[in-house]
Amino acid sequence: AQSVTQLDSQVPVFEEAPVELRCNYSSSVSVYLFWYVQYPNQGLQLLLKYLSGSTLVKGINGFEAEFNKSQTSFHLRKPSVHISDTAEYFCAVTTGYSTLTFGKGTMLLVSP
Amino acid sequence: KAGVTQTPRYLIKTRGQQVTLSCSPISGHRSVSWYQQTPGQGLQFLFEYFSETQRNKGNFPGRFSGRQFSNSRSEMNVSTLELGDSALYLCASSLVSGVNYEQYFGPGTRLTVT
Repeated sequence: AQSVTQLDSQVPVFEEAPVELRCNYSSSVSVYLFWYVQYPNQGLQLLLKYLSGSTLVKGINGFEAEFNKSQTSFHLRKPSVHISDTAEYFCAVTTGYSTLTFGKGTMLLVSP
Repeated sequence: KAGVTQTPRYLIKTRGQQVTLSCSPISGHRSVSWYQQTPGQGLQFLFEYFSETQRNKGNFPGRFSGRQFSNSRSEMNVSTLELGDSALYLCASSLVSGVNYEQYFGPGTRLTVT
């Protein structure tokens, strides 16, 4: 079985500062990795995904993530955040098909 | 193209009652998955339906059940509600059953059990 650990429950940051949201996973087989964002009172929106190929993945809204197999990590980064990036971010993993295992989420709080 | 719709958006039920939630996937999508989101447990997979067949099931008691119709619309039912069933229930659809296909989430149904 796979598992996901998001190391920070909350990350406060000032507007225009860079941010990194950390995600580590555990699995005995190859995995596919995802980052989702959830705005208040909304469902989840896919930011980016790693299926294979280049370990640096670019997503929507200026986000990117790097898959590191040796460290079993898939950290999410953005060089300059906006107030509108305030939301909860979820890392998810699957070994195949549609069953996703999610982390507990990281609340990104952007202040002016 | 319309997104995933879930009805109702909010629901208040009493312990012991049963409830049915509905999910309409994006047109053309044949796979529907259900998730439960709570502050304590986070997002947990309930089940997935593809072409009216349950393909995967999470670790939930038998009180939680679902079905999918020929038009891909899906319903989930929770019988004998418990206080711990209070949660946001999210539905996600994808073109086919497979990880290469992005899952699109609906806004969820907020269930409160009193």
